[in-house]
Amino acid sequence: AQSVAQPEDQVNVAEGNPLTVKCTYSVSGNPYLFWYVQYPNRGLQFLLKYITGDNLVKGSYGFEAEFNKSQTSFHLKKPSALVSDSALYFCAVRDRGRRALTFGSGTRLQVQP
Amino acid sequence: SAVISQKPSRDICQRGTSLTIQCQVDSQVTMMFWYRQQPGQSLTLIATANQGSEATYESGFVIDKFPISRPNLTFSTLTVSNMSPEDSSIYLCSVEESQYNEQFFGPGTRLTVL
Repeated sequence: AQSVAQPEDQVNVAEGNPLTVKCTYSVSGNPYLFWYVQYPNRGLQFLLKYITGDNLVKGSYGFEAEFNKSQTSFHLKKPSALVSDSALYFCAVRDRGRRALTFGSGTRLQVQP
Repeated sequence: SAVISQKPSRDICQRGTSLTIQCQVDSQVTMMFWYRQQPGQSLTLIATANQGSEATYESGFVIDKFPISRPNLTFSTLTVSNMSPEDSSIYLCSVEESQYNEQFFGPGTRLTVL
C-alpha cells in the first residue's frame, strides 16, 4: 500500500527566508509525486509534480521540490518565503498502477512578516 | 487544465436526510474521483467514478452510503445518504487529465450536518 508522511504539522518561517516542507513516501515501484496547496475556504491547487527525469522540479509561485529516491523524500522548497505563501500544503503520491492519490496529513506553513 | 465546478458550495443539513453533490467539468475526462476532507484533516479517497461502469469504492466507504453516478464524461454526482454529524466534511471531486498525469480539484462542497 502506498503512503505519505508529512512529519511537521506546522512550519514557521520569516518572510524572505528560505522554506522547506518535508515529505517522505512509500510506494511500490517508481512513484508519481505531487504537491498541492490549500488556501482558506478554497479548493486544492496543484503546485508541482515529479513523474520522471530531473530530480529537481520547478512549479508554480516559485516553489520547487527535490526528488530523492534513496531517501524516499520529496521536500518542497522556496528560496524566499512570502507572507502570501501562508497556507496548508499537501504532499501526495500514486504508483503507476493506481490512478487515485494518497495524501499526506498536511503541513501548515506560516510566514511571518 | 480542466475547469471544475461543484454544486452546492456549502449546505447545512439535518440528520437523517440526504444530499446530492454535483461535479461538472468543462472538458471530457475519463477518470473522476471523489474525496472527503474532514475538519482539520487530510483528504481521503471515497471512490473512483468512471463513465459507463460502477464506481470503485475505497475501504470504509460503501455504495449504500455514498451512491455515485457518472452519466457522461463531463458530469458526476455523489450522494451522502442518511447523514449524521460525522459526515460533516468538505467533499471534493477531482479529474485526471492523462496528458498531465496530475489531478485537478473542484472548489469543494462544505457540508455541515446538525
